[in-house]
Amino acid sequence: DAGVIQSPRHEVTEMGQEVTLRCKPISGHNSLFWYRQTMMRGLELLIYFNNNVPIDDSGMPEDRFSAKMPNASFSTLKIQPSEPRDSAVYFCASSFLVNNEQFFGPGTRLTVL
Amino acid sequence: KNEVEQSPQNLTAQEGEFITINCSYSVGISALHWLQQHPGGGIVSLFMLSSGKKKHGRLIATINIQEKHSSLHITASHPRDSAVYICAVAGGSQGNLIFGKGTKLSVKP
Repeated sequence: DAGVIQSPRHEVTEMGQEVTLRCKPISGHNSLFWYRQTMMRGLELLIYFNNNVPIDDSGMPEDRFSAKMPNASFSTLKIQPSEPRDSAVYFCASSFLVNNEQFFGPGTRLTVL
Repeated sequence: KNEVEQSPQNLTAQEGEFITINCSYSVGISALHWLQQHPGGGIVSLFMLSSGKKKHGRLIATINIQEKHSSLHITASHPRDSAVYICAVAGGSQGNLIFGKGTKLSVKP
């Protein structure tokens, strides 16, 4: 298996632009997690899905952030409009069950100028 | 106070030394995870445990539910063990992990 796939690996954009991050979980996993990592705050859960349904989005910073999982093999995290404080590494992870071992993607390093 | 506290924050060791990283938490949990993040940024799950002890190669993880404490041990440390080790806890049946700030380990040859 290729593991969790994220794209793009790096994204540089200007403030105000829309950013879309993509994630393909491991086949057969039914839970998907979006995390953000910054130097100041470390790793934080943004949102997680179980069977394509959002379960907990309390970590989503504000309305500028949205996430979707239209099917079992694809999820997006969108930021619109982006701000410099959104600069971080965004990780996607998946697991077979919601409270099982999680497998992380390589992350997307986002820089908002 | 953070819900998950790790110590030490930074650790430098000589190759071959026995290493211990500690994690204390203040919430009820269903499981505790130990993760490894290499300098390149990738995150790998090392252990998930809810009781007792687990061993994988030179790595050993223990947890004491009553004391709300877990330790990660590395025997015969090697420079390739240099990484950030992150403790995370999961509460109940929820999937949301709460992370510690991480312990940065540097093993010198």
